[in-house]
Amino acid sequence: KNQVEQSPQSLIILEGKNCTLQCNYTVSPFSNLRWYKQDTGRGPVSLTIMTFSENTKSNGRYTATLDADTKQSSLHITASQLSDSASYICVVLRDDKIIFGKGTRLHILP
Amino acid sequence: EAGVAQSPRYKIIEKRQSVAFWCNPISGHATLYWYQQILGQGPKLLIQFQNNGVVDDSQLPKDRFSAERLKGVDSTLKIQPAKLEDSAVYLCASSLWASGGDEQFFGPGTRLTVL
Repeated sequence: KNQVEQSPQSLIILEGKNCTLQCNYTVSPFSNLRWYKQDTGRGPVSLTIMTFSENTKSNGRYTATLDADTKQSSLHITASQLSDSASYICVVLRDDKIIFGKGTRLHILP
Repeated sequence: EAGVAQSPRYKIIEKRQSVAFWCNPISGHATLYWYQQILGQGPKLLIQFQNNGVVDDSQLPKDRFSAERLKGVDSTLKIQPAKLEDSAVYLCASSLWASGGDEQFFGPGTRLTVL
């Protein structure tokens, strides 16, 4: 069964700290993996897109990694800011099928 | 570049009533998606259009949900009659084409509450 599992379900950290969100998938065959940020009351916005041949992709303070062998991806946020409070959704594409994870809810405290 | 537009932003109805949502994708985007996002979950694809043709509607509850994309641009999603479990955010997204590498751009969503 094609699934995308994210952990933790929610996370609370202090402003300025780093954090890492995890995504495990069983989707096969794999086309590409994306991380989205979804602010409350808004639609998701793409952060990174990686194909199976890419190990890492950065977008400012966001760095995504991908291990296609173990089918794991992580999103690392450096020097968190209050504006990073949002849900982060891992999305895996298999051919023309799009499979969303449930997301990790991140809260940044001042 | 204007983003994906959706209206209304919020809608409250009673069960068994009907409701319609509207989406205007980014100009030139051939593919349009409607998603249902229940609180605390990731979006679930309801229907995907390529121009004005349906590519995937396997998860659309066709007994109550319908969608159309006349002229391959704007789209409407209708629920008739609504049930309590339809309370969710309905997201519209568009992409240039339907290929796997294409980025999807999402609208702000319509939050539906069914009482």
